[in-house]
Amino acid sequence: EVQLVQSGAEVKKPGESLKISCQTSGYNFIPYWIGWVRQTPEKGLEWMGMIYPGDSDSRYNPSFEGQVTMSADRSTSTAYLQWSSLKASDTAVYYCARLMVGDTRGLDFWGQGTLVTVSS
Amino acid sequence: SYDLTQARSVSVALGQTARIACGGHKIGSKNVYWYQQKPGQAPVLVIYSDKNRPSGVPERFSGSNSGDAPALTISGVQAGDEALYYCQVWASSTAVFGGGTQLTVL
Repeated sequence: EVQLVQSGAEVKKPGESLKISCQTSGYNFIPYWIGWVRQTPEKGLEWMGMIYPGDSDSRYNPSFEGQVTMSADRSTSTAYLQWSSLKASDTAVYYCARLMVGDTRGLDFWGQGTLVTVSS
Repeated sequence: SYDLTQARSVSVALGQTARIACGGHKIGSKNVYWYQQKPGQAPVLVIYSDKNRPSGVPERFSGSNSGDAPALTISGVQAGDEALYYCQVWASSTAVFGGGTQLTVL
């Protein structure tokens, strides 16, 4: 059974760093892109970018380039999303999702989401 | 940037057919994906590449992308279908989501 299990909710202060995780199981981690999606009530679902665990090739949405860093650990089949300096505007639910292989590119399995709250 | 337009809400009587549309520039030339999201849950893929259903998605869910605009159609709507529905396309290497349509079952 394919599963993406994300790390728990976080409460942080502005300026702090954070790394959230997405542990996968039930499939071969390497050949499937993992995407990250931000959800807020104001803006809905926003695509942040994706990473290919095979070689850590990363493609960022220009809106998020330089704001976050994606990474992947093949030894633990886990993807990560990190911030070096959080802002209040980073408050959101963050989802990881697996992309279907080939040209299909649907997001067929999702993590349960990680709520990140940034407040002073 | 590429934008997708969805109606904010659609209401349908129990057992009837719901149609949720998605608009965008030359969207007929793109593959469209549809996701269902219930409160407090992650989105779930219900249609990929315009008209294909992932395993486990009921046949009541169908998609089309011809004519005016792509659409998700839910036949014989059930109470459990009440949810937010998002369309999504790819613009270069970026996924673009519509604003979501709230389906209310009367």
